[in-house]
Amino acid sequence: AQTVTQSQPEMSVQEAETVTLSCTYDTSESDYYLFWYKQPPSRQMILVIRQEAYKQQNATENRFSVNFQKAAKSFSLKISDSQLGDAAMYFCAYTYNNAGNMLTFGGGTRLMVKP
Amino acid sequence: DTGVSQDPRHKITKRGQNVTFRCDPISEHNRLYWYRQTLGQGPEFLTYFQNEAQLEKSRLLSDRFSAERPKGSFSTLEIQRTEQGDSAMYLCASTGGNQDTQYFGPGTRLTVL
Repeated sequence: AQTVTQSQPEMSVQEAETVTLSCTYDTSESDYYLFWYKQPPSRQMILVIRQEAYKQQNATENRFSVNFQKAAKSFSLKISDSQLGDAAMYFCAYTYNNAGNMLTFGGGTRLMVKP
Repeated sequence: DTGVSQDPRHKITKRGQNVTFRCDPISEHNRLYWYRQTLGQGPEFLTYFQNEAQLEKSRLLSDRFSAERPKGSFSTLEIQRTEQGDSAMYLCASTGGNQDTQYFGPGTRLTVL
């Protein structure tokens, strides 16, 4: 069974600084996708960034980038120039090319941004 | 494209009552997913539809739960004889072309007293 682990229940960062959120996963599949989703308090979950496992290049979206280490089954999220609006729960998620593409989520990391 | 919508946003019910939630996916998205999220946890998969066909159900989906997507558009999730353990956020997501990226609705928060 696939599992996703986020070992940091909470993280804190100073505004304008950089923070890295960790995620590890376990799978025997070779063709899969990894995601980071952001869930602000009382607001809906939104996609932050997506990585295809067959691509060696790390995905980047503006201030958000990932460090994808396929052999180590690690998928960390780096947020640069942190802003107050980045404060939220961040979930790492995995899916693979089966019939359903259901997502398996980690337990989440709560990110606090200090002004 | 107005995104995934869910109704109601909040539902408070007494134990033993039946409740029904609705999800409207992004237009033209053929896959629709239901997840359950308890406080402080990540979402857990419940079931999904491809068009009107329900293709997979999690073992989390007890026989008190039923989901439908009658015309391949909106979906409903019904919980019969609610229990306090059913209290959670119920999330709906949909996906279309590339099938691997899911877009979530705002969720329905259920509280069972």
